[in-house]
Amino acid sequence: GEDVEQSLFLSVREGDSSVINCTYTDSSSTYLYWYKQEPGAGLQLLTYIFSNMDMKQDQRLTVLLNKKDKHLSLRIADTQTGDSAIYFCAERTGGYQKVTFGTGTKLQVIP
Amino acid sequence: SQTIHQWPATLVQPVGSPLSLECTVEGTSNPNLYWYRQAAGRGLQLLFYSVGIGQISSEVPQNLSASRPQDRQFILSSKKLLLSDSGFYLCAWRKQANNEQFFGPGTRLTVL
Repeated sequence: GEDVEQSLFLSVREGDSSVINCTYTDSSSTYLYWYKQEPGAGLQLLTYIFSNMDMKQDQRLTVLLNKKDKHLSLRIADTQTGDSAIYFCAERTGGYQKVTFGTGTKLQVIP
Repeated sequence: SQTIHQWPATLVQPVGSPLSLECTVEGTSNPNLYWYRQAAGRGLQLLFYSVGIGQISSEVPQNLSASRPQDRQFILSSKKLLLSDSGFYLCAWRKQANNEQFFGPGTRLTVL
């Protein structure tokens, strides 16, 4: 089955690192994604990782994938107030047309 | 470059009234198109997707329907809205190379 879970809320202080976690259930996932949604707006792709990778780094963003545990995380270094948003993880599941999204984690950055 | 439009941006409708939300894509041909609903505190739910004109796949049984009359046009409809149809509706198209989905700005629907 397909189910992607995230914690609903995370609060961090400006300058600290944020770690947003996600678990998924479909072991056949090939792509895993992180999207950012700012208030009242659509989703914007931040980064993605192939399922045969363990880690991907892109400037302040680090994605870690533990395929054995079906666990994906997004680390934001030096978190800024502009990083406040809802972050969605998503997986491309067996049907190539479909991407399943998690429930989203609301990140609050405290100045 | 590709762009995706949705309208209206916001909509307030009474229960039992009809609905038509429109999504159009520019700068790409034969895209896969998607409708999602984001209800408060419930994340993003895939409602429909379409791989071509006239081809619609429904993900969840519901009060809504979708149509794709043209290659780059995707319409979400209802004959009679329910209170539970309130939410933020997002249209997206998929880039085939890496499955990245590009989202429109969304439509905020409130059913009273």
